Amino acid sequence: EVQLVESGGGLVQPGGSLRLSCAASGFTFGSYWMHWVRQAPGKGLVWVSRTNTDDSSTSYADSVKGRFTISRDNAKNTLYLQMNSLRAEDTAVYYCARVLAITVFSGQAFDIWGQGTMVTVSS
Amino acid sequence: QSVLTQPPSASGTPGQSVTISCSGSSSNIGTNNVNWCQQLPGTAPKLLIYNSNQRPSGVPDRFSASKSGTSASLTISGLQSEDEADYYCAAWDGSLNGPVFGGGTKLTVL
Repeated sequence: EVQLVESGGGLVQPGGSLRLSCAASGFTFGSYWMHWVRQAPGKGLVWVSRTNTDDSSTSYADSVKGRFTISRDNAKNTLYLQMNSLRAEDTAVYYCARVLAITVFSGQAFDIWGQGTMVTVSS
Repeated sequence: QSVLTQPPSASGTPGQSVTISCSGSSSNIGTNNVNWCQQLPGTAPKLLIYNSNQRPSGVPDRFSASKSGTSASLTISGLQSEDEADYYCAAWDGSLNGPVFGGGTKLTVL
């Protein structure tokens, strides 16, 4: 079964750090572009970051640039999001998502999503 | 404030058709494909439409979509109670070098 499973969320104080993981199974992880998308409680979806198949090209939303780092370990079939200098407004469910291969250069649709991991930034 | 604009809510009765709009700009919908996803309560989003009008396998043909200029729309025909969910449009934005989402439309089946 094709699956993404996030972990690493939790409660952290403002200014703290967390590292999220996204374990992939059922497909050749290293062949797919990957993204992180977040959703604050009761709010809509917001894109966070993306990486290509080998981390040679990454990009970030302005709201997290300089604080978050996306990376991947293709040997471990795992995507990461290192989050530093966390703020209250980073509180959200964080989803990892796989890019549908045929859409890499035509809009990057997300065909597989994880179940999400909750990050709460509060003192 | 989302980059793409969707109506916050829509509704219809079983069997009816409902259309959800998504408005953007030249840097996103105007030059790139639109994708739509469905989020049932308490679950992760699910891809409904990619490349503006293509359905992944397993998505019923009751779901259709189109794009024109800087706007797009999703139409659900033969509305069913299980269609009650939040629907999001998304498109790559060349100015931001990443995808942008609409604010979501909550569909209620009356």
